[in-house]
Amino acid sequence: QQQVKQSPQSLIVQKGGISIINCAYENTAFDYFPWYQQFPGKGPALLIAIRPDVSEKKEGRFTISFNKSAKQFSLHIMDSQPGDSATYFCAASKRTSGSRLTFGEGTQLTVNP
Amino acid sequence: DTAVSQTPKYLVTQMGNDKSIKCEQNLGHDTMYWYKQDSKKFLKIMFSYNNKELIINETVPNRFSPKSPDKAHLNLHINSLELGDSAVYFCASSLTGQAADNSPLHFGNGTRLTVT
Repeated sequence: QQQVKQSPQSLIVQKGGISIINCAYENTAFDYFPWYQQFPGKGPALLIAIRPDVSEKKEGRFTISFNKSAKQFSLHIMDSQPGDSATYFCAASKRTSGSRLTFGEGTQLTVNP
Repeated sequence: DTAVSQTPKYLVTQMGNDKSIKCEQNLGHDTMYWYKQDSKKFLKIMFSYNNKELIINETVPNRFSPKSPDKAHLNLHINSLELGDSAVYFCASSLTGQAADNSPLHFGNGTRLTVT
């Protein structure tokens, strides 16, 4: 049972455009929602994270939008750059389960120059 | 300075063999993990140790046995390797065992295991 569903599977964006990746979760007990970025040959690295008490969090060109009632959250990358080309994973966890992160399936983002 | 280092980077072996992957973190973190990433890039937790104590043990075949000699090391031993074990295995660590902004997962660069 996939508890965190991510879409699209792949995304191609032109330089300067906005990249949007969506995730939906099922478990209402989840209370921590990070996004990880993975470059080829490397491990994932934390990009940005949000808790359900806020609807939006912004760090530089990266913004998480969170909709608690719809059980959805999304990553927006503004002014996308070729260096942003990577695989992006959303994830979710419950504070009581420690860092047992449940990951989405991943989105392969390609930003064309 | 690599924060979470795992060896080897690549591992090619035949079915039925036994192999080990080593992991070390120099971040002073209390919690370490093993994650498996399959061919579709899906990431799934396998084990978690906090200060050498096993705290998460997902539904993983008994052929997989983690060992933590100290809180900076978490090794993974796999017995009787099968074709389906082919994947990239990631070691990770976090400051505490709680999911929080100040305690993100720090991943190693992975070990690509190929079973032939």
